[in-house]
Amino acid sequence: AQRVTQPEKLLSVFKGAPVELKCNYSYSGSPELFWYVQYSRQRLQLLLRHISRESIKGFTADLNKGETSFHLKKPFAQEEDSAMYYCALSGGNQFYFGTGTSLTVIP
Amino acid sequence: DTGVSQDPRHKITKRGQNVTFRCDPISEHNRLYWYRQTLGQGPEFLTYFQNEAQLEKSRLLSDRFSAERPKGSFSTLEIQRTEQGDSAMYLCASRPDGDSNIQYFGAGTRLSVL
Repeated sequence: AQRVTQPEKLLSVFKGAPVELKCNYSYSGSPELFWYVQYSRQRLQLLLRHISRESIKGFTADLNKGETSFHLKKPFAQEEDSAMYYCALSGGNQFYFGTGTSLTVIP
Repeated sequence: DTGVSQDPRHKITKRGQNVTFRCDPISEHNRLYWYRQTLGQGPEFLTYFQNEAQLEKSRLLSDRFSAERPKGSFSTLEIQRTEQGDSAMYLCASRPDGDSNIQYFGAGTRLSVL
């Protein structure tokens, strides 16, 4: 069955510290993986996707097919990174989202 | 273009009533999705349209739920005989044809069933 797992519901880090939000998935095929972010009082928006292999707002994520993971990383967290982060998988015409990780960056 | 628009933003109804939500996607976005999100959970896929055709429907979707996109532009999601368990945020997203699989989300309609 298709599934996206985000093991941490809450994550707090100090400003300037590295941050890693974990995402594991299960899918029988070649999925496309995404990270979506929702800032306070804003709508859900795309942060990055594995196909583009780019860094957005200092965040990167590498698809590890062996470990079926797509962890989100940033070397130096900023206060404006505080938000809800969702890992998502696209398979066929459906999208599957994880339960989300609430990131708080402490000044 | 202000992005994906959803109406109403909030809906309070009594159990057993029918409710209908509307989604206006970004212009020229042929693909439209509906999701449901409850507290502490991520968005849960409900259904998918390509133009006016409903191509995918979640097996979890009750028969009380129906969605339409009659002219391939806006879409409606109707819930009949609402139950308290239907209380959730209902999200709509759209994307264009092509290789880009990026979805653009609306602000959602929050439903409260009393």
